[in-house]
Amino acid sequence: DTEVTQTPKHLVMGMTNKKSLKCEQHMGHRAMYWYKQKAKKPPELMFVYSYEKLSINESVPSRFSPECPNSSLLNLHLHALQPEDSALYLCASSQAPGQSYEQYFGPGTRLTVT
Amino acid sequence: ILNVEQSPQSLHVQEGDSTNFTCSFPSSNFYALHWYRWETAKSPEALFVMTLNGDEKKKGRISATLNTKEGYSYLYIKGSQPEDSATYLCAHAGNQFYFGTGTSLTVIP
Repeated sequence: DTEVTQTPKHLVMGMTNKKSLKCEQHMGHRAMYWYKQKAKKPPELMFVYSYEKLSINESVPSRFSPECPNSSLLNLHLHALQPEDSALYLCASSQAPGQSYEQYFGPGTRLTVT
Repeated sequence: ILNVEQSPQSLHVQEGDSTNFTCSFPSSNFYALHWYRWETAKSPEALFVMTLNGDEKKKGRISATLNTKEGYSYLYIKGSQPEDSATYLCAHAGNQFYFGTGTSLTVIP
């Protein structure tokens, strides 16, 4: 199984809502990533988890809260988002943390904040 | 923020033509260069991870070269097919991981 799954595929939420994005992989990978991609822009790294511990937070606002309950799951909790947070949110995993490991991506969650 | 540039931004080629794109990146703090293929409505798919200057990798009709001293990588597609239509992204892996904006390839049957 070389698949990274993400749910939901689409999400529309108001600025006062609380929602969560989910990501799952069963490849035994020990590094997991959240990226944000705005239209016509490259994906931007948000968070990196290495061995279930948060290792990189790219100065992401606190309204985005990542969680790694176990080695297969990665969540992104959303609260009090702004319309400019509307984007495609991609999850990825790699065998281990490190620049030379290829990353396996999920299909993304398309988020719209109204 | 690292400046990773890809050119051209978009490309249309006839089926059977060979084509190539460029990824340019700063040569400092280099660890690896990744190439990804991203079809619409699908997940980005890893093509190559390249680490050594002069590296050359091949997967079927697709190949890539790397020059870390001058800071560029080329991706080549030989005999393009309609199923090669996708956005091709490169990513510079140094202290952080930075993607380029991609080259959108359309292969016309």
